[in-house]
Amino acid sequence: QKEVEQDPGPLSVPEGAIVSLNCTYSNSAFQYFMWYRQYSRKGPELLMYTYSSGNKEDGRFTAQVDKSSKYISLFIRDSQPSDSATYLCAMSSYNFNKFYFGSGTKLNVKP
Amino acid sequence: DVKVTQSSRYLVKRTGEKVFLECVQDMDHENMFWYRQDPGLGLRLIYFSYDVKMKEKGDIPEGYSVSREKKERFSLILESASTNQTSMYLCASSLTSGSRNEQFFGPGTRLTVL
Repeated sequence: QKEVEQDPGPLSVPEGAIVSLNCTYSNSAFQYFMWYRQYSRKGPELLMYTYSSGNKEDGRFTAQVDKSSKYISLFIRDSQPSDSATYLCAMSSYNFNKFYFGSGTKLNVKP
Repeated sequence: DVKVTQSSRYLVKRTGEKVFLECVQDMDHENMFWYRQDPGLGLRLIYFSYDVKMKEKGDIPEGYSVSREKKERFSLILESASTNQTSMYLCASSLTSGSRNEQFFGPGTRLTVL
């Protein structure tokens, strides 16, 4: 079983839709949770960073962590064509320097 | 503005060649990482380094070696390039665990081995 599972998509939505992206994980030691956005042929860029459980909001983006269910989500409100990219979840634990990544979900927002 | 740079965006090499990929970060990060990214397989860790001259194998170290002589620079070496090493190579850096624990990535090097 992979440490982190993420639906690869692709996910296609109309402009203005609310997008929900999700990851599940198996290691209860994970405490740091991240979402990266990667445009085609570019390196991933950090979008959201959360520590432990709870919600974090930044503009149109909301990250949620449910440690009891080992489930994290990224919500994008009022999605734009410029949000079209691959979204990677990532996580790590306090004691280790390794990061564990989902395989990425490809999102296409149609104008 | 934090920055991780990689020496080449695109590289074409022949089978059997020795290939060097360079990565430099200007954030004084202790940890540096090399990943390869392939469609359907996501990011796979090749090697990481948590200090100068220190290195740890990742999940797929075979056919690769690394060098970290200075804190800001981490090199990935393909001793004898093979066609199955054609991939996107990503370098990343982070602070030591216990701090804000996130990775910053470079733009990637797309390597083609013919």
